[in-house]
Amino acid sequence: GDSVTQMEGPVTLSEEAFLTINCTYTATGYPSLFWYVQYPGEGLQLLLKATKADDKGSNKGFEATYRKETTSFHLEKGSVQVSDSAVYFCALSGYYGNNRLAFGKGNQVVVIP
Amino acid sequence: NAGVTQTPKFRILKIGQSMTLQCTQDMNHNYMYWYRQDPGMGLKLIYYSVGAGITDKGEVPNGYNVSRSTTEDFPLRLELAAPSQTSVYFCASSPRDSSNTGELFFGEGSRLTVL
Repeated sequence: GDSVTQMEGPVTLSEEAFLTINCTYTATGYPSLFWYVQYPGEGLQLLLKATKADDKGSNKGFEATYRKETTSFHLEKGSVQVSDSAVYFCALSGYYGNNRLAFGKGNQVVVIP
Repeated sequence: NAGVTQTPKFRILKIGQSMTLQCTQDMNHNYMYWYRQDPGMGLKLIYYSVGAGITDKGEVPNGYNVSRSTTEDFPLRLELAAPSQTSVYFCASSPRDSSNTGELFFGEGSRLTVL
């Protein structure tokens, strides 16, 4: 079935550093891809999305490009802030239908001043 | 705007007890979902509903039940609570989207501990 794999482990980095979180997927057909963010004590909220190959989703300085050839959707931000500290989830919507999402395990990002 | 509201936010149960997690949304969304979030495991779908009177199992339905009598409400029932059900539970909703590219709107979560 459809699945999403995120890189292992938390990510700790200094303010203004470059952030990359890797995400690869396995899916039947042509899924839509998402990044969700969960701030401490809150529910998940959509950060960005891409619905077809080569689309680039962007929001709040974050970007991710839908790469069909490498089945990837890596999240990047050029200069992180302390306020970007959160858990980031990669997800896909496709085979199952009804907007059911398959989520990756999530990556904790900690930005140090 | 209220969005998706879950209650309670925190609850401690003893093994074998039962309880209902409440979820209501005011966005007139057709689709609603219950996920559980375990540390390092991401989110797993428990049950979902595509409209009033229609529910279906997700990946991890055992030990849970749901109902959907109205568009707004989607309660999750735990019967005979077990320690394995200790988790954070999220309710979410989504508008009907035939292209299957909809965004989910999440509640703030309910943290359940079973001792």
